[in-house]
Amino acid sequence: KAGVTQTPRYLIKTRGQQVTLSCSPISGHRSVSWYQQTPGQGLQFLFEYFSETQRNKGNFPGRFSGRQFSNSRSEMNVSTLELGDSALYLCASSSNSGTDTQYFGPGTRLTVL
Amino acid sequence: AQSVTQLDSQVPVFEEAPVELRCNYSSSVSVYLFWYVQYPNQGLQLLLKYLSGSTLVKGINGFEAEFNKSQTSFHLRKPSVHISDTAEYFCAVSQGGSARQLTFGSGTQLTVLP
Repeated sequence: KAGVTQTPRYLIKTRGQQVTLSCSPISGHRSVSWYQQTPGQGLQFLFEYFSETQRNKGNFPGRFSGRQFSNSRSEMNVSTLELGDSALYLCASSSNSGTDTQYFGPGTRLTVL
Repeated sequence: AQSVTQLDSQVPVFEEAPVELRCNYSSSVSVYLFWYVQYPNQGLQLLLKYLSGSTLVKGINGFEAEFNKSQTSFHLRKPSVHISDTAEYFCAVSQGGSARQLTFGSGTQLTVLP
């Protein structure tokens, strides 16, 4: 079974621009979660989607948004980029079982100049 | 709200020596506990998890962890490390009932020396 894939792997943007990152979950997984990893703040939960609905949300400003499509693929969008948005963005997928493991993708490295 | 504290940011250890990476959590409700490993320029890989039942959990690559409810700890151990174990290790907690929204510790960089 193919793992979680994220595209692109690397991205460079400038302040004020917006960016869209994509995540394809493991086949059959319907839950997709997003995390931000920075040296200063560590790993932080952004949001979780299930069946095209946002089910949980972390403590991030409204510039961070996401969506999920009917095939469970998910995108996250960051508008009006700031230097502090430079991070590794990780996507994780799991089944709908509450005890199921989250499987992480390799991440998208976003650099904001 | 829950939180996770990884007591050591860096742990150097010689090859074939035992290692323990410490993790403490705080939560007012029952929790699920996890250890993940991250190699350079890669995502996170699950080493092991505690959901319920036996407090001693065995994972991949020879790692194990023990859940101690009274100490609110979930320390990770390996009896003999290899160079290939060099990586960053993250302890994580989620509220019992859902393993999908994880709160992570700040990570421990394990460096295995020849």
